[in-house]
Amino acid sequence: QKEVEQNSGPLSVPEGAIASLNCTYSDRGSQSFFWYRQYSGKSPELIMSIYSNGDKEDGRFTAQLNKASQYVSLLIRDSQPSDSATYLCAVRGGGGNKLTFGTGTQLKVEL
Amino acid sequence: NAGVTQTPKFRILKIGQSMTLQCTQDMNHNYMYWYRQDPGMGLKLIYYSVGAGITDKGEVPNGYNVSRSTTEDFPLRLELAAPSQTSVYFCASSYDPSPGYGYTFGSGTRLTVV
Repeated sequence: QKEVEQNSGPLSVPEGAIASLNCTYSDRGSQSFFWYRQYSGKSPELIMSIYSNGDKEDGRFTAQLNKASQYVSLLIRDSQPSDSATYLCAVRGGGGNKLTFGTGTQLKVEL
Repeated sequence: NAGVTQTPKFRILKIGQSMTLQCTQDMNHNYMYWYRQDPGMGLKLIYYSVGAGITDKGEVPNGYNVSRSTTEDFPLRLELAAPSQTSVYFCASSYDPSPGYGYTFGSGTRLTVV
């Protein structure tokens, strides 16, 4: 059973701070990794993808991947109240281009 | 460009009834997926398709069926609805399995079985 683990939270950070979201995965054959943001009652939307070890930056978001430690993280700089949502980590491996999702971390950005 | 369209958005079913959740995408994506999401849980894969005429089971296929007669449409059929099928259902599609290509999700169908 391929597993993707996330701390469910809630993770509370003050506005303007850095939010750090973490994810571990069990399948060493996993090929690429995704972070989705999901607002309450809405569908997931893709924020970042990463498939090489190291950091990948896109605006206020930085994804970090360490395949040796089977660890993926998402950093959100200058956190805003609009960043308050559940963040889903997803891992792709195996046939069919299937994604396995974690249960998500709820982020609350407080004024 | 509509993306992934799911209908209906909400539905209440009685135990034992059947229904079809519709999913259509206009992006010419080969890969399509059905997930369910229970409160506080991640998404669980029900069925997926890698192209027209090809479908396969995911993690939680029991109680569901799918077909893929065209590239655009991937309907999910619920037979003999049970309370355990109360959930939010998301359809998703993807163009390419290359690294970096994620899914595009539909807006979801909230199903209650009573």
